[in-house]
Amino acid sequence: EAQVTQNPRYLITVTGKKLTVTCSQNMNHEYMSWYRQDPGLGLRQIYYSMNVEVTDKGDVPEGYKVSRKEKRNFPLILESPSPNQTSLYFCASSSLGTSGRSDTQYFGPGTRLTVL
Amino acid sequence: AQSVTQPDIHITVSEGASLELRCNYSYGATPYLFWYVQSPGQGLQLLLKYFSGDTLVQGIKGFEAEFKRSQSSFNLRKPSVHWSDAAEYFCAVGPKTSYDKVIFGPGTSLSVIP
Repeated sequence: EAQVTQNPRYLITVTGKKLTVTCSQNMNHEYMSWYRQDPGLGLRQIYYSMNVEVTDKGDVPEGYKVSRKEKRNFPLILESPSPNQTSLYFCASSSLGTSGRSDTQYFGPGTRLTVL
Repeated sequence: AQSVTQPDIHITVSEGASLELRCNYSYGATPYLFWYVQSPGQGLQLLLKYFSGDTLVQGIKGFEAEFKRSQSSFNLRKPSVHWSDAAEYFCAVGPKTSYDKVIFGPGTSLSVIP
């Protein structure tokens, strides 16, 4: 089954304790992205990756890191989480298509993070 | 600046009634246009998309959307709403080039009255 998986689904942590949210897709997609969803703000892009070893900042990258060492995986790293990073996080992937542009995005189920 | 607006934060309709969710964008040239749906506790799922061609696009679950270039709009419609359509709906635009971002609107929450 084609899917994007995220782990963990729920996480409660404390300020400053490093954490990693994993994301994996089995569709051989080139493009992967991380979003955070906050009430009234919709989805805001944190980082995206066009392919292995190619990553770039989205709209709200401060406080986050990513890596793309393998095509299927795109982990999100919070080196020193703070309460303002409490949010619902989504990973997504898509093919680039013949135009080289991101097409339909397939979303993971989300990770609800609470930073105390 | 590139932006997407969904003027209605929340809409309530009766089951069987028609539905129209509004989406307006500012993006320069015509971008890709998408509507996604998010059911409670779930990730987002694509309803439909417009890349080029016929400006009336059919999607899943009986939804359709019409691209109007002159109004920079991409409104979502459904002739008869079902209770299972209650969800959050997001309009998204982009990308114009390979490295452009996809921009999401703030979402419209739909409630359906039995």
